[in-house]
Amino acid sequence: NAGVMQNPRHLVRRRGQEARLRCSPMKGHSHVYWYRQLPEEGLKFMVYLQKENIIDESGMPKERFSAEFPKEGPSILRIQQVVRGDSAAYFCASSPGQQGRMNTEAFFGQGTRLTVV
Amino acid sequence: GEDVEQSLFLSVREGDSSVINCTYTDSSSTYLYWYKQEPGAGLQLLTYIFSNMDMKQDQRLTVLLNKKDKHLSLRIADTQTGDSAIYFCAESETGANNLFFGTGTRLTVIP
Repeated sequence: NAGVMQNPRHLVRRRGQEARLRCSPMKGHSHVYWYRQLPEEGLKFMVYLQKENIIDESGMPKERFSAEFPKEGPSILRIQQVVRGDSAAYFCASSPGQQGRMNTEAFFGQGTRLTVV
Repeated sequence: GEDVEQSLFLSVREGDSSVINCTYTDSSSTYLYWYKQEPGAGLQLLTYIFSNMDMKQDQRLTVLLNKKDKHLSLRIADTQTGDSAIYFCAESETGANNLFFGTGTRLTVIP
């Protein structure tokens, strides 16, 4: 059973370009979470999605950032018109989404390291 | 808002015990987690504890929770060089969604 898969592992973008980060959750998981880790900091929650629904986007910047988790395919975190301050590691996590014990555990991918030059 | 604090660095000798500490401010924390991050890698869930527990042991790992003082610790017995990593404490009111992470403690194990 493959873990949470993120791609690309490393992404370099020039200022003003768009960045698209992909996340395939673990098999059987229907809940996806995106976190951002700035250099030398802990992870900060961005958004929580279920299939075709955004459940909680309280951590998303109001502009330029969007996320989706379509019925088919991976979850996408999209950053438009990137700026230097967007350089960070972006981690995706997934959970089964069922009530009870299993929903307490979030399994993380290896992250996408975005560098804006 | 929620605040989770950890000391930034810890060095121990191989074979000794390591104790990594964490304090948090949210009284409503229900779940408290420890994650391990090795260089260039994602986060690996090590263990977690419910707020109604005082202690949880899992092989070389012991988690202690003092809910009154909002203090969480992770003890690693017989620390090995492979334990060198950054250890993150995280808390949540609702489980897997919306975890609040500390800044991480970088553990260095000296051979």
